[in-house]
Formats: sequence, C-alpha cells, structure tokens
Amino acid sequence: DQQVKQNSPSLSVQEGRISILNCDYTNSMFDYFLWYKKYPAEGPTFLISISSIKDKNEDGRFTVFLNKSAKHLSLHIVPSQPGDSAVYFCAATTGGFKTIFGAGTRLFVKA
Amino acid sequence: GAVVSQHPSWVICKSGTSVKIECRSLDFQATTMFWYRQFPKQSLMLMATSNEGSKATYEQGVEKDKFLINHASLTLSTLTVTSAHPEDSSFYICSARNTGMETQYFGPGTRLLVL
Repeated sequence: DQQVKQNSPSLSVQEGRISILNCDYTNSMFDYFLWYKKYPAEGPTFLISISSIKDKNEDGRFTVFLNKSAKHLSLHIVPSQPGDSAVYFCAATTGGFKTIFGAGTRLFVKA
Repeated sequence: GAVVSQHPSWVICKSGTSVKIECRSLDFQATTMFWYRQFPKQSLMLMATSNEGSKATYEQGVEKDKFLINHASLTLSTLTVTSAHPEDSSFYICSARNTGMETQYFGPGTRLLVL
C-alpha cells in the first residue's frame, strides 16, 4: 500500500525553466511533508518541508505547495540549474513518527 | 543542518562473513535512528527503526537475526549484516532524528559488495 506516490519516474527540463515535481498521498493523518534530494551513491539531503497547517513554503529557488483537499503536494524549482539534476524524494510523516517515502522522481536539467 | 556520518563508505567482503556499519550523529542527539536499503534505481526501503536504549523495530520481511541493530548511545547506531551473502549486496543508508524533529537527516550511505 503506497501511501506516498510519485507517479513520474523522471522529468526533463531546460536550464532556466521551472521544474515541477509532484507527489500524492493517501493518508489524511500525515501532518508534515518533506522533500529530499539524492545524488547517486550518496545519502538523501533534506531540501524543504511544509507543515499541514500551511499551503506554501518558500526557500530561495525552491517552493513547496500543499493542497490538502486533493492530498497533493508539489515542489517547484525556478530557475532550474544543471546542478539540480538528481532524484527527488517526497516524504510524509505523522507526529514525527515513521516517515514514508515516495519512489522518487529523477530530474534532468539540460544546459 | 545536522550532520550524520557513516562508516565505512564502502566495503567488500567474502560470503559468510559479518559486516558492521556505523552511523553517527555528529552535532545532535539522535533519539531515533533509521536504517534503509536501496537497490539500484529503486526507492529507499526502510529496514528498521531504533530508539536509543531499546530494541529495534523491524519492517515486515526484514530478518532481525540477519540484520542486527544496536543503538547504544544517543549518537551511535550500528547495523551488522551477519553471514553476508551476495544478495545482501546493496546501498545501506542510515538517518537520524531527535525528539521533536520532524526532519530526518541522512548519512552518506555505505555500499556493500558481498563476493
């Protein structure tokens, strides 16, 4: 039972344009959502998070949007840079208990 | 941000031997540590959750006698792969979190190759 789904295994974007990575979840009890970035042969790096009481959180080029009614969140990267090419994992947690990860989306930013 | 280290970063061993992987939180106390496994081109698979001073909670399908986890202090957890076999070859990643933190911080991972 996949509680956190990233339906796009990969995404290709031109440098300078916006990258939009999507994530859907099924458990309405999730109260905190996170995005991690992972390069090959490295551990994931925390990128940005959002509490369920908010609908938007912005940090530099990264913005996460949360739509609770649709159980959907997205990560926007603008402008996209070649160094952003990596696998992005969406994750969700309830009360800081177990964190559930999506399958990941591989982002390619073309120069 | 919080820093988590893992040692070794990679290890090659013979089939039948045991391998110990260390996970340390360097600048915060990790009341909870998690061990993940990642196969090529797949997502992170949670193996077990350990709280300092208590037994680890293993996910379904993960053999606790095969993957021994010890979380003896607030800054150190170890994963021992006992009697390793080639199918245990994988990328093992730990993460750590303190009480009240929703964010987990990950180590750099350990690549294990069993010959």
